Amino acid sequence: EAGVAQSPRYKIIEKRQSVAFWCNPISGHATLYWYQQILGQGPKLLIQFQNNGVVDDSQLPKDRFSAERLKGVDSTLKIQPAKLEDSAVYLCASSLQAGPRGELFFGEGSRLTVL
Amino acid sequence: AQKITQTQPGMFVQEKEAVTLDCTYDTSDPSYGLFWYKQPSSGEMIFLIYQGSYDQQNATEGRYSLNFQKARKSANLVISASQLGDSAMYFCAMREEGKSTFGDGTTLTVKP
Repeated sequence: EAGVAQSPRYKIIEKRQSVAFWCNPISGHATLYWYQQILGQGPKLLIQFQNNGVVDDSQLPKDRFSAERLKGVDSTLKIQPAKLEDSAVYLCASSLQAGPRGELFFGEGSRLTVL
Repeated sequence: AQKITQTQPGMFVQEKEAVTLDCTYDTSDPSYGLFWYKQPSSGEMIFLIYQGSYDQQNATEGRYSLNFQKARKSANLVISASQLGDSAMYFCAMREEGKSTFGDGTTLTVKP
């Protein structure tokens, strides 16, 4: 079974530029998550999708971050314009179950450096 | 308030010995799940073990066991017979109402 796919693995941009990250979850997983992990911290949820609907985007900085999951499969996370503090690893995860038992399956992450 | 607290930023353990990584959580929801994930230096988060709030027995998965003390709201991970490959970051997470929250992790270093 293929895992969660993410690209690109690494991206370096100047501040005020834009960047997009792509994620393809495990086949059949209805729930998709984007997490931001700053060095030395735990992952912080940015947005959660159930199929192609948004369940939680309360911590997404909507003035610069956007995400979509068209057709309820793969997803794109965009940052425009980027700030220095956006330097982090962006982790995509998916889960099969929506309830308490739903463990998350993570991709390898996309490491963003903003100069 | 922090939902997940991991008080040990770093831990050392001798190879083949056991180690306990601490985790406390905060919730008023009676139905929740507790998870431990491992993050090696390569960056990918790997699911290790799960404990449901209604489970009567502590979860075990091979060398991993979860010491669940519901009244104290703690869910400590015990790794027995540590191996060099266990060196990594370990994250405790809680899932409630379909949402997962992570602690800030503990870096475990296994010494040969």
